Amino acid sequence: GAVVSQHPSWVICKSGTSVKIECRSLDFQATTMFWYRQFPKQSLMLMATSNEGSKATYEQGVEKDKFLINHASLTLSTLTVTSAHPEDSSFYICSARPATGTLNTEAFFGQGTRLTVV
Amino acid sequence: GENVEQHPSTLSVQEGDSAVIKCTYSDSASNYFPWYKQELGKRPQLIIDIRSNVGEKKDQRIAVTLNKTAKHFSLHITETQPEDSAVYFCAASTGGFKTIFGAGTRLFVKA
Repeated sequence: GAVVSQHPSWVICKSGTSVKIECRSLDFQATTMFWYRQFPKQSLMLMATSNEGSKATYEQGVEKDKFLINHASLTLSTLTVTSAHPEDSSFYICSARPATGTLNTEAFFGQGTRLTVV
Repeated sequence: GENVEQHPSTLSVQEGDSAVIKCTYSDSASNYFPWYKQELGKRPQLIIDIRSNVGEKKDQRIAVTLNKTAKHFSLHITETQPEDSAVYFCAASTGGFKTIFGAGTRLFVKA
């Protein structure tokens, strides 16, 4: 299947600093990527839809100024957690689909990033 | 907004028995229903999917059924094995490709 690579796989940062997470589709182009957040033993909660060349679409309750998304190319989306606090500690995971027109197909996930804010 | 409910949250079965996980969705525009298996600390992996124009799909020990009228879909695992133990997520997706996940089912298969 298609490969989505996420980097870093884990990061520890100090409270108040910003952290950037990258999501790359390695062998296909993705006009749309998705960012999820997963707390321990919980489901994947969709945070935002990243659209190449335009603004991201955020889900209700997700602060767009805190979670900055940039989708500058067809293979790369970045999520920046700004002014991180301990409550932002979580597992962040991205997904992408190969562009197939209107046909809905399998989404491929990155390996996830475990963020710990101390 | 869109919502996907999943039951049960935990399921324990004896090796060799069957396991059934059920989901309901709220958005009638949903047309794609994937099931993912996630092991601890790892990314979700697709195990089977079904589109809205199909009522049932089977792949070896795994099958999925879909009732569009009732907005129900279910995962059936037969002849369970210890390596089937994991968290399983159902999901529903619309033409916009946004995928909403159920809360997950933690499956334990006892040897």
